[in-house]
Amino acid sequence: GAVVSQHPSWVICKSGTSVKIECRSLDFQATTMFWYRQFPKQSLMLMATSNEGSKATYEQGVEKDKFLINHASLTLSTLTVTSAHPEDSSFYICSASIGLGDTEAFFGQGTRLTVV
Amino acid sequence: GDSVTQMEGPVTLSEEAFLTINCTYTATGYPSLFWYVQYPGEGLQLLLKATKADDKGSNKGFEATYRKETTSFHLEKGSVQVSDSAVYFCALSEGGSEKLVFGKGTKLTVNP
Repeated sequence: GAVVSQHPSWVICKSGTSVKIECRSLDFQATTMFWYRQFPKQSLMLMATSNEGSKATYEQGVEKDKFLINHASLTLSTLTVTSAHPEDSSFYICSASIGLGDTEAFFGQGTRLTVV
Repeated sequence: GDSVTQMEGPVTLSEEAFLTINCTYTATGYPSLFWYVQYPGEGLQLLLKATKADDKGSNKGFEATYRKETTSFHLEKGSVQVSDSAVYFCALSEGGSEKLVFGKGTKLTVNP
């Protein structure tokens, strides 16, 4: 299957700083990328959908000014957690797909963010 | 809104035991149903899927049947192996969308 690489795998940052997480599709062009957040013992919650070259669509309750998503190319999407706080500590996962319809989404390995 | 409820773990089995992980869903339309698996240190991988009622998805010895009458998509395997140890997620998507709604995940540990 196709490979999606997420970087970094884990990051620790201080409160008030910003952290950028990258999601790359290594062997295919991803029209659409998705960002999920997973709390301990909870399901993955969709945060936003990003389409290459356009603004991301955020799910209800997700602060777009706090979680900045950029999908500048067909192989790269970034999630920036701005002015991070301890409650932003979580596991963030991206997925990428080739196009519309019933197509498979390929997932990155996730990023563990800890804000201290 | 749409939701997925799956059996909470962790589940611990001996090698060659029979596995069932229950999954039920709530959806407004006719969703596609998925099982994803996450091996330690890796991203989620699609294990199997079914797109309409009575479809059976199967892969690597795992099976799940789309039961519309009971809104269920239980995952089964007749004889598990140590290498099946992972976290399993049930998920759905509506109307051909790639947006997935996930269950909480069930951690499976298979002992030799």
